Amino acid sequence: GAGVSQSPSNKVTEKGKDVELRCDPISGHTALYWYRQSLGQGLEFLIYFQGNSAPDKSGLPSDRFSAERTGGSVSTLTIQRTQQEDSAVYLCASSPDRGYQPQHFGDGTRLSIL
Amino acid sequence: DAKTTQPTSMDCAEGRAANLPCNHSTISGNEYVYWYRQIHSQGPQYIIHGLKNNETNEMASLIITEDRKSSTLILPHATLRDTAVYYCIVSPPKSNYQLIWGAGTKLIIKP
Repeated sequence: GAGVSQSPSNKVTEKGKDVELRCDPISGHTALYWYRQSLGQGLEFLIYFQGNSAPDKSGLPSDRFSAERTGGSVSTLTIQRTQQEDSAVYLCASSPDRGYQPQHFGDGTRLSIL
Repeated sequence: DAKTTQPTSMDCAEGRAANLPCNHSTISGNEYVYWYRQIHSQGPQYIIHGLKNNETNEMASLIITEDRKSSTLILPHATLRDTAVYYCIVSPPKSNYQLIWGAGTKLIIKP
């Protein structure tokens, strides 16, 4: 399909391990966004990319969280030394550009920290 | 960014029009109104957005009051598959990535 693709769909790991979450945006979309959603809550903004640059990282909750984007396409969100409070659904979205154009979301990665 | 207020939950009979209200009394002139929905275990799905004028697409209609302090999302013929949490969000165009998500309205379509 032509939508936003995220992998893995589910990830279970032990506390203290590092995890990498991947996002493939819609082809041609220059803007990419990462959000986090805890159970029963709305979405929490993490980081925004325009091309390969991240003008706004203000939502990253700690220095254990980092993200990169290469080739203006695929993005990886990395969480180091995971904690139980990191358990959530991590959602990626893309849009053709910044501005008023709506964001299109993947189905997320459900991360569970044991 | 302006905040929004939505009812926690609503019911609607299948086949009837579902009208979902949203208050955004502090909206400013350049802020758009966006509607998304989230079906259980899926990512949010974009529905519609608007600035001042009413908008319609294949999914829904968006009615924005003249003073822009409130809006209504209309699903003209609700089906069981429209059961979801519906989010109303306002955001200025230059920082629309900072979508501030509230708790939304849980819409339940009943047969």
